[in-house]
Amino acid sequence: EVQLVQSAAEVKKSGESLKISCKGSGYSFTDYWIGWVRQLPGKGLEWMGILYPGDSDTRYSPSFQGQVTISADKSISTAYLQWSSLKASDTAIYYCARLPRQQLNHFDYWGQGTPVTVSS
Amino acid sequence: DIQMTQSPSSVSASVGDKVTITCRASQGISSWSAWYQQKPGKAPKLLIFAASSLQSGVPSRFSGSGSGTDFTLTISSLQPEDFATYYCQQANSFLFTFGPGTKVDIK
Repeated sequence: EVQLVQSAAEVKKSGESLKISCKGSGYSFTDYWIGWVRQLPGKGLEWMGILYPGDSDTRYSPSFQGQVTISADKSISTAYLQWSSLKASDTAIYYCARLPRQQLNHFDYWGQGTPVTVSS
Repeated sequence: DIQMTQSPSSVSASVGDKVTITCRASQGISSWSAWYQQKPGKAPKLLIFAASSLQSGVPSRFSGSGSGTDFTLTISSLQPEDFATYYCQQANSFLFTFGPGTKVDIK
């Protein structure tokens, strides 16, 4: 069974750094692109970027380029989303999601989401 | 960037009703569209991909159609568990965009 299990909720202060995780299981982690999606409180879904764990090829949404870093440790089948200096406007739920191997245009499995709260 | 618009933004319907949600892309995207359902406090769930392909395990009352710039999600007979928010999504050259969402609630 394919599963994406994300790290627990985080509460941070503005200016702090953060790295959240997404562990894949039930499939070959290095063979599938994995992406991150943001959902601001009460708002819609925003695509942030995707990464191919096999070779760490990474693509970012122009809106998030330079704001976050997406990475992975394929030895432990885990993808990461990190910030070097959080802002209150980063308060949101962050989802990881997998792209199917043959069709790189939708997300078939999703993590449960990691709520991040940043206080000013 | 390709933008996605959805209409309506919300719809009130009764169990058994047919519900149609439309999505328009700002430029042609062939058939690279998908639809997701999201319930409060839950992750999105894939319903339809490649405009009209039903994801495994999704009830057949859900269907999708369209190509180019205009896409449609239809729920043929609304069930109690279908009250949720629905998002369309496009992909073009490794750039992904979601529509703003359509909330389906109880009339």
